[in-house]
Amino acid sequence: KAGVTQTPRYLIKTRGQQVTLSCSPISGHRSVSWYQQTPGQGLQFLFEYFSETQRNKGNFPGRFSGRQFSNSRSEMNVSTLELGDSALYLCASSPGVGKETQYFGPGTRLLVL
Amino acid sequence: QKEVEQNSGPLSVPEGAIASLNCTYSDRGSQSFFWYRQYSGKSPELIMSIYSNGDKEDGRFTAQLNKASQYVSLLIRDSQPSDSATYLCAVYQGAQKLVFGQGTRLTINP
Repeated sequence: KAGVTQTPRYLIKTRGQQVTLSCSPISGHRSVSWYQQTPGQGLQFLFEYFSETQRNKGNFPGRFSGRQFSNSRSEMNVSTLELGDSALYLCASSPGVGKETQYFGPGTRLLVL
Repeated sequence: QKEVEQNSGPLSVPEGAIASLNCTYSDRGSQSFFWYRQYSGKSPELIMSIYSNGDKEDGRFTAQLNKASQYVSLLIRDSQPSDSATYLCAVYQGAQKLVFGQGTRLTINP
Protein backbone atom coordinates (compact mmCIF):
# COMPACT_ATOMS: atom_id res chain seq x y z
CA LYS A 1 0.00 0.00 0.00
CA ALA A 2 1.18 3.47 -0.75
CA GLY A 3 1.81 5.62 2.29
CA VAL A 4 0.45 9.02 3.19
CA THR A 5 1.38 11.65 0.63
CA GLN A 6 1.56 15.38 1.12
CA THR A 7 1.93 18.18 -1.38
CA PRO A 8 3.76 20.40 -1.77
CA ARG A 9 6.83 19.28 0.15
CA TYR A 10 8.30 22.76 0.46
CA LEU A 11 6.73 26.17 0.31
CA ILE A 12 7.94 29.73 0.73
CA LYS A 13 5.37 32.45 1.33
CA THR A 14 5.35 36.02 2.59
CA ARG A 15 3.45 37.46 5.52
CA GLY A 16 -0.20 38.11 4.80
CA GLN A 17 -0.49 35.49 2.08
CA GLN A 18 -2.54 32.34 2.39
CA VAL A 19 -1.53 28.76 1.75
CA THR A 20 -3.28 25.45 1.06
CA LEU A 21 -1.65 22.13 1.87
CA SER A 22 -2.89 18.78 0.64
CA CYS A 23 -2.85 15.29 2.15
CA SER A 24 -3.82 11.94 0.62
CA PRO A 25 -4.24 9.22 3.25
CA ILE A 26 -3.37 5.56 3.00
CA SER A 27 -5.93 3.75 0.87
CA GLY A 28 -8.85 2.69 3.05
CA HIS A 29 -8.05 5.12 5.85
CA ARG A 30 -10.90 7.46 6.65
CA SER A 31 -9.38 9.64 9.36
CA VAL A 32 -6.89 12.41 8.70
CA SER A 33 -5.19 14.48 11.38
CA TRP A 34 -3.00 17.53 10.94
CA TYR A 35 -0.13 18.64 13.15
CA GLN A 36 2.25 21.56 13.28
CA GLN A 37 5.81 20.88 14.35
CA THR A 38 8.23 23.59 15.42
CA PRO A 39 11.50 23.33 17.37
CA GLY A 40 10.06 25.27 20.30
CA GLN A 41 6.57 23.77 20.58
CA GLY A 42 7.08 20.27 19.29
CA LEU A 43 4.19 18.46 17.62
CA GLN A 44 0.94 20.34 18.11
CA PHE A 45 -2.45 18.94 17.09
CA LEU A 46 -4.36 21.10 14.63
CA PHE A 47 -7.49 19.13 13.73
CA GLU A 48 -8.86 15.74 12.82
CA TYR A 49 -11.32 14.83 10.08
CA PHE A 50 -13.35 11.68 9.72
CA SER A 51 -15.92 11.07 7.00
CA GLU A 52 -15.73 14.70 5.88
CA THR A 53 -16.50 16.00 9.37
CA GLN A 54 -14.15 17.82 11.67
CA ARG A 55 -14.08 15.65 14.73
CA ASN A 56 -11.68 17.55 16.91
CA LYS A 57 -9.74 20.80 16.85
CA GLY A 58 -6.60 21.93 18.60
CA ASN A 59 -5.87 25.28 20.15
CA PHE A 60 -5.04 27.28 17.02
CA PRO A 61 -6.52 30.54 15.75
CA GLY A 62 -9.30 30.58 13.18
CA ARG A 63 -6.76 31.37 10.46
CA PHE A 64 -6.12 27.65 10.41
CA SER A 65 -8.86 25.67 8.74
CA GLY A 66 -9.28 22.39 6.98
CA ARG A 67 -11.63 20.12 5.16
CA GLN A 68 -11.94 16.55 4.01
CA PHE A 69 -13.35 15.30 0.75
CA SER A 70 -15.46 12.23 0.06
CA ASN A 71 -12.37 10.28 -1.05
CA SER A 72 -10.80 11.04 2.38
CA ARG A 73 -8.22 13.41 0.93
CA SER A 74 -7.79 16.46 3.11
CA GLU A 75 -6.61 20.01 2.76
CA MET A 76 -5.63 22.56 5.33
CA ASN A 77 -5.55 26.29 4.77
CA VAL A 78 -3.74 29.01 6.62
CA SER A 79 -4.84 32.55 5.87
CA THR A 80 -3.02 35.80 6.62
CA LEU A 81 0.29 34.06 7.22
CA GLU A 82 2.51 35.19 10.09
CA LEU A 83 6.21 34.60 10.58
CA GLY A 84 5.39 32.23 13.44
CA ASP A 85 3.52 29.94 11.06
CA SER A 86 6.85 28.74 9.68
CA ALA A 87 6.86 25.06 10.57
CA LEU A 88 6.69 21.50 9.36
CA TYR A 89 3.05 20.59 8.77
CA LEU A 90 2.37 16.90 9.13
CA CYS A 91 -0.62 14.92 8.07
CA ALA A 92 -1.38 11.51 9.57
CA SER A 93 -3.99 8.97 8.59
CA SER A 94 -5.65 6.11 10.43
CA PRO A 95 -8.34 3.58 9.53
CA GLY A 96 -10.81 5.06 12.00
CA VAL A 97 -10.91 7.21 15.10
CA GLY A 98 -10.21 6.74 18.77
CA LYS A 99 -7.20 4.63 19.66
CA GLU A 100 -6.17 3.86 16.10
CA THR A 101 -2.53 4.06 15.12
CA GLN A 102 -1.71 7.11 13.04
CA TYR A 103 0.72 6.97 10.13
CA PHE A 104 2.49 10.12 9.09
CA GLY A 105 3.19 11.59 5.69
CA PRO A 106 6.52 13.23 4.81
CA GLY A 107 5.28 16.69 5.76
CA THR A 108 5.19 20.10 4.12
CA ARG A 109 7.87 22.51 5.23
CA LEU A 110 6.49 26.06 5.16
CA LEU A 111 8.70 29.09 5.43
CA VAL A 112 7.04 32.48 5.90
CA LEU A 113 9.21 35.50 5.11
CA GLN B 1 1.57 20.00 34.27
CA LYS B 2 2.11 19.05 30.63
CA GLU B 3 -0.21 16.41 29.22
CA VAL B 4 2.68 14.22 28.07
CA GLU B 5 6.16 14.72 29.46
CA GLN B 6 9.48 13.40 28.27
CA ASN B 7 13.05 14.22 29.18
CA SER B 8 14.29 16.19 26.17
CA GLY B 9 17.81 14.84 26.51
CA PRO B 10 20.10 14.54 24.81
CA LEU B 11 20.53 10.99 26.01
CA SER B 12 23.85 9.50 25.07
CA VAL B 13 24.29 5.71 25.09
CA PRO B 14 27.26 3.61 23.93
CA GLU B 15 26.73 1.23 21.06
CA GLY B 16 25.51 -2.16 22.19
CA ALA B 17 24.06 -0.86 25.45
CA ILE B 18 20.40 -0.53 26.45
CA ALA B 19 18.75 2.83 25.88
CA SER B 20 15.87 3.65 28.21
CA LEU B 21 13.36 6.33 27.28
CA ASN B 22 10.64 7.47 29.65
CA CYS B 23 7.32 9.24 29.38
CA THR B 24 4.63 10.29 31.85
CA TYR B 25 1.10 11.43 31.07
CA SER B 26 -1.56 13.33 32.95
CA ASP B 27 -4.88 11.87 31.73
CA ARG B 28 -5.59 8.86 33.92
CA GLY B 29 -8.25 7.71 31.45
CA SER B 30 -5.81 7.32 28.55
CA GLN B 31 -5.99 3.91 26.88
CA SER B 32 -3.62 4.02 23.90
CA PHE B 33 0.08 4.75 23.87
CA PHE B 34 2.58 5.00 21.05
CA TRP B 35 6.27 5.45 20.46
CA TYR B 36 7.44 7.14 17.28
CA ARG B 37 10.96 7.68 16.01
CA GLN B 38 11.85 10.81 14.08
CA TYR B 39 15.10 11.29 12.23
CA SER B 40 16.29 14.83 11.65
CA GLY B 41 14.38 16.40 8.78
CA LYS B 42 12.00 13.46 8.46
CA SER B 43 8.49 12.71 9.67
CA PRO B 44 7.68 10.47 12.67
CA GLU B 45 7.51 6.76 12.06
CA LEU B 46 5.72 4.33 14.35
CA ILE B 47 7.87 2.00 16.43
CA MET B 48 5.32 0.47 18.76
CA SER B 49 1.86 0.77 20.21
CA ILE B 50 0.81 -0.52 23.62
CA TYR B 51 -2.60 -0.67 25.22
CA SER B 52 -2.30 -2.98 28.26
CA ASN B 53 -0.21 -2.83 31.40
CA GLY B 54 3.04 -4.72 31.20
CA ASP B 55 5.67 -5.25 28.54
CA LYS B 56 5.39 -5.58 24.78
CA GLU B 57 8.40 -6.70 22.80
CA ASP B 58 9.18 -6.27 19.11
CA GLY B 59 12.69 -7.20 18.09
CA ARG B 60 15.16 -4.99 19.94
CA PHE B 61 12.38 -2.75 21.23
CA THR B 62 10.32 -3.23 24.40
CA ALA B 63 7.53 -0.91 25.46
CA GLN B 64 6.44 -0.90 29.08
CA LEU B 65 3.18 0.51 30.39
CA ASN B 66 2.12 1.18 33.97
CA LYS B 67 -1.27 2.87 34.02
CA ALA B 68 -1.36 3.17 37.82
CA SER B 69 1.81 5.25 37.72
CA GLN B 70 0.82 6.90 34.41
CA TYR B 71 4.15 5.94 32.96
CA VAL B 72 5.23 4.44 29.66
CA SER B 73 8.76 3.62 28.62
CA LEU B 74 10.72 2.30 25.64
CA LEU B 75 13.80 0.14 25.94
CA ILE B 76 16.14 -0.34 23.00
CA ARG B 77 18.48 -3.30 23.40
CA ASP B 78 21.81 -3.64 21.59
CA SER B 79 21.65 0.03 20.56
CA GLN B 80 23.00 0.82 17.10
CA PRO B 81 24.20 4.16 15.67
CA SER B 82 21.16 4.01 13.36
CA ASP B 83 18.96 4.30 16.46
CA SER B 84 20.18 7.88 16.93
CA ALA B 85 17.02 9.96 16.52
CA THR B 86 14.34 11.79 18.48
CA TYR B 87 11.82 9.49 20.13
CA LEU B 88 8.30 10.77 20.58
CA CYS B 89 5.84 9.43 23.11
CA ALA B 90 2.17 9.88 22.13
CA VAL B 91 -0.95 9.30 24.20
CA TYR B 92 -4.60 9.35 23.18
CA GLN B 93 -6.40 11.81 25.46
CA GLY B 94 -9.91 10.54 26.15
CA ALA B 95 -10.03 8.93 22.66
CA GLN B 96 -10.28 12.42 21.27
CA LYS B 97 -6.81 13.42 20.14
CA LEU B 98 -3.27 12.16 20.06
CA VAL B 99 -1.00 14.25 22.27
CA PHE B 100 2.76 14.12 21.81
CA GLY B 101 5.56 14.72 24.24
CA GLN B 102 8.40 17.06 23.30
CA GLY B 103 10.58 14.09 22.38
CA THR B 104 13.85 12.70 23.69
CA ARG B 105 16.92 13.11 21.51
CA LEU B 106 18.94 9.88 21.62
CA THR B 107 22.55 9.58 20.45
CA ILE B 108 24.25 6.20 20.16
CA ASN B 109 28.02 6.52 20.34
CA PRO B 110 30.07 3.97 18.35
